Amino acid sequence: RKEVEQDPGPFNVPEGATVAFNCTYSNSASQSFFWYRQDCRKEPKLLMSVYSSGNEDGRFTAQLNRASQYISLLIRDSKLSDSATYLCVVKGGPGSQGNLIFGKGTKLSVKP
Amino acid sequence: GAVVSQHPSWVICKSGTSVKIECRSLDFQATTMFWYRQFPKQSLMLMATSNEGSKATYEQGVEKDKFLINHASLTLSTLTVTSAHPEDSSFYICSASLPTGLETQYFGPGTRLLVL
Repeated sequence: RKEVEQDPGPFNVPEGATVAFNCTYSNSASQSFFWYRQDCRKEPKLLMSVYSSGNEDGRFTAQLNRASQYISLLIRDSKLSDSATYLCVVKGGPGSQGNLIFGKGTKLSVKP
Repeated sequence: GAVVSQHPSWVICKSGTSVKIECRSLDFQATTMFWYRQFPKQSLMLMATSNEGSKATYEQGVEKDKFLINHASLTLSTLTVTSAHPEDSSFYICSASLPTGLETQYFGPGTRLLVL
């Protein structure tokens, strides 16, 4: 089983749609969780951290279910500029030197 | 936010040559820098963790003699791909974490390497 798994997509949605991405991780000792976005041929950029109680940043809502080892990202009222690949990222547990483990990403394409 | 630069942004070289990539933290001192590699449509894979003043820690399967890492100062880490081959063609990205903790990593813009 891969350490971080995501649906590769692509998700093709119209502007204004709501889209949800899912991610599962295999190491129950993982401590921190993030969503990054990566534009084509660019470096990843932190979108938001994911907290156990769930958190929201504007149109973006992230949720974590530790029992199920499941992370989600919800994007409301999607914009053309949201088109990118969304990476689920997990920080390893104790002894991992703070290493980040990346999923392959889910590609989102928002159409006019 | 913290800024990390990489140089060069892209490089094309002949098979057998060595290529050096620089990673700099521009507005902060980074005790730890990370080197990643990303093949097309694949996830970022950590190659090594670089700590200032000490030897890098390489991930399993990454040849330390082929990918030489030097972290001589708190703002500069270099990755040298020695005797590059076409299969080394990839997108190499560095990141740096703030001295306050390893929670957030700031990524450089990446270096695209093509070995002919």
